[in-house]
Amino acid sequence: AQTVTQSQPEMSVQEAETVTLSCTYDTSESNYYLFWYKQPPSRQMILVIRQEAYKQQNATENRFSVNFQKAAKSFSLKISDSQLGDTAMYFCAFMKHENFGNEKLTFGTGTRLTIIP
Amino acid sequence: GAVVSQHPSRVICKSGTSVKIECRSLDFQATTMFWYRQFPKQSLMLMATSNEGSKATYEQGVEKDKFLINHASLTLSTLTVTSAHPEDSSFYICSARDTLSGGGIQYFGAGTRLSVL
Repeated sequence: AQTVTQSQPEMSVQEAETVTLSCTYDTSESNYYLFWYKQPPSRQMILVIRQEAYKQQNATENRFSVNFQKAAKSFSLKISDSQLGDTAMYFCAFMKHENFGNEKLTFGTGTRLTIIP
Repeated sequence: GAVVSQHPSRVICKSGTSVKIECRSLDFQATTMFWYRQFPKQSLMLMATSNEGSKATYEQGVEKDKFLINHASLTLSTLTVTSAHPEDSSFYICSARDTLSGGGIQYFGAGTRLSVL
């Protein structure tokens, strides 16, 4: 079974600064996806970024980027120029590459990020 | 982007009654949908995987007779909490996979807060 660990329950950073959220995972699979989801106070889960394990290049989405270290099983999220709207719970998630219809997301315990004005 | 509508957003019911929660994919077909439960300040726990036209697959420890899932069309899955009790009070979230796209992305509904009195 896969496990996802987020070792930072809470973090806070000043607006406009850069922050990095940590995530490690454990799996024996070689083909999988990794995700960062954001859950703001509204509780709507929003996809932030996705990484395919077979791709060596780190994914980026505007101010959001990841540092994917496959050998170390590490998948950190960097948020640059942080904004007040980035305040949310952030979940790291793992998905084994399965036959369609059987993909399951395994979530970490989350990191509560607060952006301070 | 893909939109998943979940209804109702909040429901309060008496102990012993049944509650139905709907999850609809509005602009895409979803052969597979997922139901999660989230306790306060905790992560999402997968309850079951719902595949259109077939029986749902429940995670270990989830009572299939308590949490009835129906996925009768490519855009609608329902979760019925039968004979609800106060311990069933929680936040329930659905997600859906776009049948025509790959990459493992799940789109989430806004969640349903269930309170059983």
